[in-house]
Amino acid sequence: DIVMTQSPDSLAVSLGERATITCKSSQSVLHSSNNRNYLAWYQKRPGQPPKLLIYWASTRESGVPDRFSGSGSGTEFTLTISSLQAEDVAVYYCQQYYIVPPVTFGQGTKLEIK
Amino acid sequence: EVQLVESGGGLVQPGRSLRLSCTSSGFTFGDYAMSWVRQAPGKGLEWLGSIRTQTYRETTEYAASVKDRFIISRDDSKNIAYLQIHSLKTEDTAVYYCARRGSFWFFDYWGRGTLVTVSS
Repeated sequence: DIVMTQSPDSLAVSLGERATITCKSSQSVLHSSNNRNYLAWYQKRPGQPPKLLIYWASTRESGVPDRFSGSGSGTEFTLTISSLQAEDVAVYYCQQYYIVPPVTFGQGTKLEIK
Repeated sequence: EVQLVESGGGLVQPGRSLRLSCTSSGFTFGDYAMSWVRQAPGKGLEWLGSIRTQTYRETTEYAASVKDRFIISRDDSKNIAYLQIHSLKTEDTAVYYCARRGSFWFFDYWGRGTLVTVSS
């Protein structure tokens, strides 16, 4: 199974500042045939279901604000929130879908306001 | 509007069985694979299993940790996916989510979840 490891486990950022979350996979999730990274990011607010933010490592889901961006390739990926808003307080998860089953998620990164 | 609504959760004694339902609307249910994911209190997301479409014979896959006790099925005539859990354990206490899966294994729509509490 591919193990997904996020860092940090928690993060406090001031409103309007940049937040950066890292996700590393135990093996590459880059598919050589299509040059796509099989990596998604989700936002999980308290009491709400997970929400898909990013797939293919950098493609924003429809309706997701453009302050959210994903980058990286192979085994290292980043989710960046360019200017933190109060509604961005949540736990963020990365997920690989390159070698499935099983789907595997990172352990989550809790983002708070400083 | 795509909607997924889970039901069937509640307080259950250890060793009992439970069937959760995921009622879908707003899309052609039969065209999509469906998955179940849970989140135990204070823990992260755990994928439990998936069921493919009729085109792929409704084949199922499960996480190794649950494959002996969990069964996923679907009824396309009712737009419902099911998760049957047998021999419930206290560690099965969690919010259970159903999620829509496309051709690739990420999840674009999720239900709001149903809480299962396993306790005597």
